[in-house]
Amino acid sequence: SQQGEEDPQALSIQEGENATMNCSYKTSINNLQWYRQNSGRGLVHLILIRSNEREKHSGRLRVTLDTSKKSSSLLITASRAADTASYFCAIILTGGGNKLTFGTGTQLKVEL
Amino acid sequence: EAGVTQSPTHLIKTRGQQATLRCSPISGHTSVYWYQQALGLGLQFLLWYDEGEERNRGNFPPRFSGRQFPNYSSELNVNALELEDSALYLCASSFLGRDTEAFFGQGTRLTVV
Repeated sequence: SQQGEEDPQALSIQEGENATMNCSYKTSINNLQWYRQNSGRGLVHLILIRSNEREKHSGRLRVTLDTSKKSSSLLITASRAADTASYFCAIILTGGGNKLTFGTGTQLKVEL
Repeated sequence: EAGVTQSPTHLIKTRGQQATLRCSPISGHTSVYWYQQALGLGLQFLLWYDEGEERNRGNFPPRFSGRQFPNYSSELNVNALELEDSALYLCASSFLGRDTEAFFGQGTRLTVV
């Protein structure tokens, strides 16, 4: 499968801790994006990292990309209960136009 | 500015019937995407439209079809509904271009009984 695969499938942490989610893929990409989904509703775009970038930050989010290992990680620092959601990585394949191919997702639960 | 809107929010159909789902993209976006998310599963790509043309299609049978109108809104039609078509159907829109984020609607929950 060309889609991203997230690891772990589920993660439970305490508020204030950091959460790290990983995404692996199998083919050449143009960019990789992370999305959040709350309770089976629509997805919210979090961050986009291009294939020639190695790291990006947005608020409490830090994303890294290692194209040699075909992997990315999403770090959420100082997590809050409101961060409880499913997180998906999505890739734009080289030559894939605009089509986003999603991974299977990581379910994050942040407990008070 | 309005986001991506989908209608209806919920839809209950009987096996064998047809379902029509609608999506209005963000103003200025020409690309519309449809995804299926079955319970507990990831998002499966269905269709991508841009400027009224089908640009890409996922691995779904022909009874899944759609179209994009001149105002860039889109319809997804599912014929001969099967129980396993029960899922959340998500629509997203974006500008045409590789390094562009997609904006998602809240989805239509289709239940086939």
